[in-house]
Amino acid sequence: DVKVTQSSRYLVKRTGEKVFLECVQDMDHENMFWYRQDPGLGLRLIYFSYDVKMKEKGDIPEGYSVSREKKERFSLILESASTNQTSMYLCAIQRGNGANVLTFGAGSRLTVL
Amino acid sequence: AQSVTQLDSQVPVFEEAPVELRCNYSSSVSVYLFWYVQYPNQGLQLLLKYLSGSTLVKGINGFEAEFNKSQTSFHLRKPSVHISDTAEYFCAVSESSNDYKLSFGAGTTVTVRA
Repeated sequence: DVKVTQSSRYLVKRTGEKVFLECVQDMDHENMFWYRQDPGLGLRLIYFSYDVKMKEKGDIPEGYSVSREKKERFSLILESASTNQTSMYLCAIQRGNGANVLTFGAGSRLTVL
Repeated sequence: AQSVTQLDSQVPVFEEAPVELRCNYSSSVSVYLFWYVQYPNQGLQLLLKYLSGSTLVKGINGFEAEFNKSQTSFHLRKPSVHISDTAEYFCAVSESSNDYKLSFGAGTTVTVRA
């Protein structure tokens, strides 16, 4: 089975801090995604990447950036964290064989004080 | 662009009773449809998917869903729930021509009581 590992399950940061959320996959899948999950809003796509150094904005990219220097690693960056970025962040990968299924990591719960 | 509406935010149900979670979508083109489940403190995992073919789709853990194109619905059902089915359930849709962009519903929390 494919494994998606998010490096931090729980983080607490202060307003204005720079935050890195890391996601690592153990297979050779091209497509990787970052979502945020909020109660009553479901999952919203922040960014996705379809190859190394390639990225595309999702529905809510403001306040976020991403980095994909190696195929297995996709990082979400909050340049200057704000309280409205307190949320659950989910990384996902997509198999490239047309099955269209996402495999998710366990999530990173970020609290910005 | 596609969108998804899950009609119930909370569904309390007794153990061994049936459950139905409702999902409607809007799209002007051919779609793929999914149900994902999120157990407490875990990421999401796929329950079932509809890509093409039979409109009745069977998934894991005894769940099934029916694609109804005329009503643009993809309701999820289970005839008899267990305590372990307590979780949040998400309906998702993507356009078949652009399948890397999924749109998720707001989620339905199912609480199963003994």
